[in-house]
Amino acid sequence: DARVTQTPRHKVTEMGQEVTMRCQPILGHNTVFWYRQTMMQGLELLAYFRNRAPLDDSGMPKDRFSAEMPDATLATLKIQPSEPRDSAVYFCASGGRAGFNQPQHFGDGTRLSIL
Amino acid sequence: GQQLNQSPQSMFIQEGEDVSMNCTSSSIFNTWLWYKQEPGEGPVLLIALYKAGELTSNGRLTAQFGITRKDSFLNISASIPSDVGIYFCARMFPLSGGGADGLTFGKGTHLIIQP
Repeated sequence: DARVTQTPRHKVTEMGQEVTMRCQPILGHNTVFWYRQTMMQGLELLAYFRNRAPLDDSGMPKDRFSAEMPDATLATLKIQPSEPRDSAVYFCASGGRAGFNQPQHFGDGTRLSIL
Repeated sequence: GQQLNQSPQSMFIQEGEDVSMNCTSSSIFNTWLWYKQEPGEGPVLLIALYKAGELTSNGRLTAQFGITRKDSFLNISASIPSDVGIYFCARMFPLSGGGADGLTFGKGTHLIIQP
């Protein structure tokens, strides 16, 4: 089965460091989403790309977070500088052709710990 | 209005028992999704519901889209140990950038099965 691939699976770093998380969407999918999961807030949408263009990042703290999609096979989420409150599991999801009612398929996440 | 209320928060059951969980909202929706998440993995789509009143099965899983379009339930029959995990309901909502839907998730139902 085709899967969304995320790297790294785990990341531990000190506050103030830059963190880059990577995602390879399912081949042929042209919508990519970044979500964050915490115990308190559950799963929250951070950003969304369609055909590599960022269309909605209203859920993302703009001052330190940035999301890009350099090509169709790679999406990145960067945090600079990182803070302890950024500790969470970050999921990438991709969906089929752009449009409504298209279920999303999730990767296995990057578990981020900021010390 | 966009919050999803999922219950129960957790369930402790014996292997072989049937399971029922539900999700409600004060707003009407066009789509209900049910995902399962296992430890260290991302959410996996189980069932998608697109029409009010729709009843859909996936093996031992059955989900229904409420007639009022404000609720949905998920049933698991004859539970087995591999059913353990967190079950999330989710709804789709149009993203401000257009062209696709984002997901809002419930807080999840933790299913624990005692042998």
